[in-house]
Order: sequence, then structure tokens, then C-alpha cells
Amino acid sequence: AIRMTQSPSSFSASTGDRVTITCRASQGISSYLAWYQQKPGKAPKLLIYAASTLQSGVPSRFSGSGSGTDFTLTISCLQSEDFATYYCQQYYSYPYSFGQGTKLEIK
Amino acid sequence: QVQLVQSGAEVKKPGSSVKVSCKASGGTFSSYTISWVRQAPGQGLEWMGRIIPILGIANYAQKFQGRVTITADKSTSTAYMELSSLRSEDTAVYYCARDDQIDLDYWGQGTLVTVSS
Repeated sequence: AIRMTQSPSSFSASTGDRVTITCRASQGISSYLAWYQQKPGKAPKLLIYAASTLQSGVPSRFSGSGSGTDFTLTISCLQSEDFATYYCQQYYSYPYSFGQGTKLEIK
Repeated sequence: QVQLVQSGAEVKKPGSSVKVSCKASGGTFSSYTISWVRQAPGQGLEWMGRIIPILGIANYAQKFQGRVTITADKSTSTAYMELSSLRSEDTAVYYCARDDQIDLDYWGQGTLVTVSS
């Protein structure tokens, strides 16, 4: 099974900051990577698929990049509604696997 | 617009089974794949398995093989996830999601399953 590792596990930031979350796959997954945002008590929400394609309706301050084993999610200018937990997920092969999550908190 | 509506919360005894439903509306159910993902309290997301309703074929994560059964009823556009031999570690929120094989783009609201004696 492919292992996904995110970093950092948590960090604090302020509104207006630019933040980057990293996701590493234990083997190459081409661009078969998605990013999700989850708020407490809610289902995950798809932000990005195919490593860099923004899901319809997602603000353009979110962007994704990478291929192979190393990927990043960048939020260019943090808004208050962006404080949440973020997960990467590979769909290169079954079983699908998720990173452990990155909790973004307000500084 | 695809919508997935799951059944309500359950409380189960250790050793018993639970069956969670996921009713789809919008789109064409038979053309979907439905994945099931769970999340233990305070923990991350864990993929359990998926079904292709039009084929009736299911695949499972090895961790759950033998304990989980995922089925689908095309006539009611409903997918089901049954987990047996429940233990306390199975206490979690269980989600269904539409799996278009490039992402999980629509999610159910989640079903809390509590396993407690």
C-alpha cells in the first residue's frame, strides 16, 4: 500500500499569510493526488484533483503542484474560513490512502 | 447536483454488525463508483472499500477484508456498507463518497457508529 506523509501535522498562521502544506508519497503516483479540506463535524470537501486542478467553486487562492512523490498545497492569502484540517489522498492505486492531515490554526 | 444522504447514528455492542446506507440523488447512480471512508474520533481519514454499482463489483482495503461488505441496490440508488465483528476501535464516523476515480467529489453527511458494551 502507498503511504502518504504530510507535513507539518499542525501549525499556526494569521489571516493574510501565505501557507504551504507538503505531501509525500512512498512511491511515485504521477499526478493522481487530491486535496481535501475538513472542518469540525463536517464531511471533507474536495479542493484540488489531479495534483493541480481546482475543483469548481473553490477560491483561486488555493493551488496545488507536484508530481511523482512530492506535492504541495498552497493557500496564497489565508482567510478566516480557511482554518481547518487538510488531507492529501492518492488515487494512483487501491487501496486509496490519505495523509494524516494538517491542522491549520489561527495564530 | 449529486447528493448523498446517509442513515442515522447507530450504537452497537461489541461483536455485532452494523449496516449503513447511502442514498444517492442527481446524476446516474449506475455510472458512479461509491467509496466508503471512516474517521475515528480525532483521527484522520481511512479508505475502507468501494463498489461499482453497475457491475456489482466491490474492492476492499486489506485491513477490513473479511469484515466489511459493500453492496448497492440500483433500483433505489442506494449503497450499503456492512461491518461485522465490531470492536471498540470501530467507533467512528463512516462516510460514503462518489468516487470518479480521480477524486472523491461528493460526500455524504457521515454516520456515527458507536461500539460500546
